Amino acid sequence: GENVEQHPSTLSVQEGDSAVIKCTYSDSASNYFPWYKQELGKRPQLIIDIRSNVGEKKDQRIAVTLNKTAKHFSLHITETQPEDSAVYFCAASIKRFGNQFYFGTGTSLTVIP
Amino acid sequence: SAVISQKPSRDICQRGTSLTIQCQVDSQVTMMFWYRQQPGQSLTLIATANQGSEATYESGFVIDKFPISRPNLTFSTLTVSNMSPEDSSIYLCSGRNNEQFFGPGTRLTVL
Repeated sequence: GENVEQHPSTLSVQEGDSAVIKCTYSDSASNYFPWYKQELGKRPQLIIDIRSNVGEKKDQRIAVTLNKTAKHFSLHITETQPEDSAVYFCAASIKRFGNQFYFGTGTSLTVIP
Repeated sequence: SAVISQKPSRDICQRGTSLTIQCQVDSQVTMMFWYRQQPGQSLTLIATANQGSEATYESGFVIDKFPISRPNLTFSTLTVSNMSPEDSSIYLCSGRNNEQFFGPGTRLTVL
């Protein structure tokens, strides 16, 4: 299967600052990279995703970048707000492995008001 | 995206018993999956639930321990068999068409 590493495991930022979470993957055949946000006691929610034929995607304050050569992708949150506090998971998907997701270990983001 | 519901939302079970978790999607989905999530940990894929055939299990998970059914494109069940305290976890159902989404989870405690 795929091996997805995620850093940092915890991240604290001041409200209004930016937050960056990075993930690396091992299999160059990975072709789809979603990011999920999970608030305490709730289900993971898809916040943004990117496919291997795209280098960057943005949705308001959230952006994801992909470097296929280096096999890493990053989540960028700008102008952070307290409601951004949650655990964020990256994932990678490989078609030949049935398209199932391999999740990173998660990043606990705290935005300090 | 579609909405997934799970039953039960939580349960406390005795060692050696079995629990079946039901997953219902409000519209047809191409793929369904079952995950396990320990508190504060990531999501671990248990298996892919295949409609009308045996589930595809990930390394470390076997059918005898986690039998799965998927009789149609909107419903699946996961049974946790012969439970031990190590099975205490949150079990999440997931469905996918173009995007993958999750159910609310079933919090299982085994005494």
